[in-house]
Parts: sequence; C-alpha cells; structure tokens
Amino acid sequence: EAQVTQNPRYLITVTGKKLTVTCSQNMNHEYMSWYRQDPGLGLRQIYYSMNVEVTDKGDVPEGYKVSRKEKRNFPLILESPSPNQTSLYFCATQGGTAVTDTQYFGPGTRLTVL
Amino acid sequence: GESVGLHLPTLSVQEGDNSIINCAYSNSASDYFIWYKQESGKGPQFIIDIRSNMDKRQGQRVTVLLNKTVKHLSLQIAATQPGDSAVYFCAERGQAGTALIFGKGTTLSVSS
Repeated sequence: EAQVTQNPRYLITVTGKKLTVTCSQNMNHEYMSWYRQDPGLGLRQIYYSMNVEVTDKGDVPEGYKVSRKEKRNFPLILESPSPNQTSLYFCATQGGTAVTDTQYFGPGTRLTVL
Repeated sequence: GESVGLHLPTLSVQEGDNSIINCAYSNSASDYFIWYKQESGKGPQFIIDIRSNMDKRQGQRVTVLLNKTVKHLSLQIAATQPGDSAVYFCAERGQAGTALIFGKGTTLSVSS
C-alpha cells in the first residue's frame, strides 16, 4: 500500500529542546515537502526536496532544518523549538516535478511547544 | 503574489443535496488545479484534478469545473453524504517544478 508515514503523530515539548519529526514514503517519489497548517493561514510550505541531497526553502523556513540523505526519508528538524512553532505539520510527496504531479500527504504531526 | 482563495469559509447542506464549493484564483498562468479533502485529524486527501486545457472533469460523485475567463474553480459533490463532511481545499500550480499554492479551505457540514 502506497503510504506516507510521519512520526510522532503527537508531540508536546518545551522551548529549546531539539526535536525531529520523521517522514517516510514507499512510493519511490523524488519530490518531498513539509508544510505547517495553522488556523486562518492554511497550508504553508516550510522546505522541499526535489531529490536526494537537494533541499530548498519554502515560504516559512525560519527555525527549521531538513535533510534528504535517502530517497524515502525527509526528516524535519527543529533545533530550538519555540511556542510559535506550535502547529500541525504535514509531509507530502509527489512523483516528480511535472505540472500534473499530484502531492500526497501524510497523516500529520501535531506539535505543541510550551 | 499569487494566491488561491475560497469564496466561503463554511457551507452547510442537508444529506442528499448537491454541494458546490467555489475557489477563485489570481494567477492566469496557472496550468493545473487540484481539490483536496481534509477530514478531522487527517492529512489532505486528493479528490480530483483538472488541467487548464479542460473546462470540466468528472469523478465518482464529484465534478470539477474550471472557468478560466473569470479564474474560477468549483467542486460539485452530488448527493452529499455525512461522510463528505470535511474541509475542502483547492490548490493550483503555474508550471512544472513550482510549488502548489493552497487556498484556505471551506468547511462542509452535512446534516442528516
């Protein structure tokens, strides 16, 4: 079954404590992306990766890092989380970068930073 | 910059009615459009897409209409069911290699 998985699904942490949210896909997709979703603001792209070892900033990259060492995994790293990073996070993948390549989303990670 | 928006943040319908969810986009060069459904506690789920060279595309109980003249996209759901209750997003892409731009969503509530 084609899947995008995220872990953890829920996380409560404290300011400044480094954390990593993992994303894994089994569809051999080249493109992966991270979004945050906030009430009234919709989905905003944090970072994306067009292929292994290639990552680029999205619209709201401040305070986040990513890596793409292998095709299937695209972890999101918060080196020093702050309360304004409390949000719902989604990983998404798409096959390539064609206009009609659809994005498929993971189940989401709800992060609370106290 | 370009943005994709929705006309109404909420829509309430009775079970069995047809639902129409609207979306306006501002980038006349947008070439590809997608509708997503997001149920509570889940990630957005692909429903249907349409390319700019088409006016209409039908799926199972859903139809997407594209009016490029007024830059308007709509999702029609036939015989709406309680399981259709969710937030619906439109998204657009201008050209290959560019990011999807998402609207803020319309919450559809279906009552029995």
